[in-house]
Amino acid sequence: EIVLTQSPATLSLSAGERAILSCGASQRVSSNFLAWYQQKPGLAPRLLIYGASNRATGIPERFSGSGSGTDFTLTIRRLEPEDFAVYYCQQYASSPLTFGGGTKVEIK
Amino acid sequence: QITLKESGPTLVKPTQTLTLTCTFSGFSLNTGGVGVGWIRQPPGKALEWLATAYWDDDDRYSPSLKTRLTITKDTSKNQVFLTMTNMDPVDTATYYCAHRFVSGAWYNVFDFWGQGSLVTVSS
Repeated sequence: EIVLTQSPATLSLSAGERAILSCGASQRVSSNFLAWYQQKPGLAPRLLIYGASNRATGIPERFSGSGSGTDFTLTIRRLEPEDFAVYYCQQYASSPLTFGGGTKVEIK
Repeated sequence: QITLKESGPTLVKPTQTLTLTCTFSGFSLNTGGVGVGWIRQPPGKALEWLATAYWDDDDRYSPSLKTRLTITKDTSKNQVFLTMTNMDPVDTATYYCAHRFVSGAWYNVFDFWGQGSLVTVSS
């Protein structure tokens, strides 16, 4: 099973700042099969990124994903008020599918 | 337009069996590549994948819960059912069903999600 570790657990930033979220895998994620989701309180997760760097339909360009192998990053270029949420990474390279523990991006 | 909705009991007692229903529209489980996943989230905690129902019946389960989970389908009604036996308070969570994502190829990520169904396990 691939274990995903997200850091930091909490990121305190102001609107307009850049957010950099990390997701580390316990073993190589083949084909960069790594996705990112955003979740707001009381709502279901929303797919942001798949294949480590591909934005899902309708996702703003300020969201970008990068990385390969065991180290992946989600960058939010300039935080908008609606971006304050919890972000999860998920690997789908191997079964079982696994999620990271999440990073909360909160308003500073 | 793809939609999914979970339904089922909100409260179950320890040792009981939970059955949740995912009713969906906008796609068919008879279409090659289609899958419906079940993911849960305990209050304040992270997401956990439970199982995925596939169009070809090659369903997959989380190894840690495999002995307790069963997926069944009614493709004529666009429904997928998740049964979990021997419920325990640690199984208290919001249970989501979600559509398997396709972009040229099918990937085991989820692009459309139900609203979630909170299940509390308590005597």
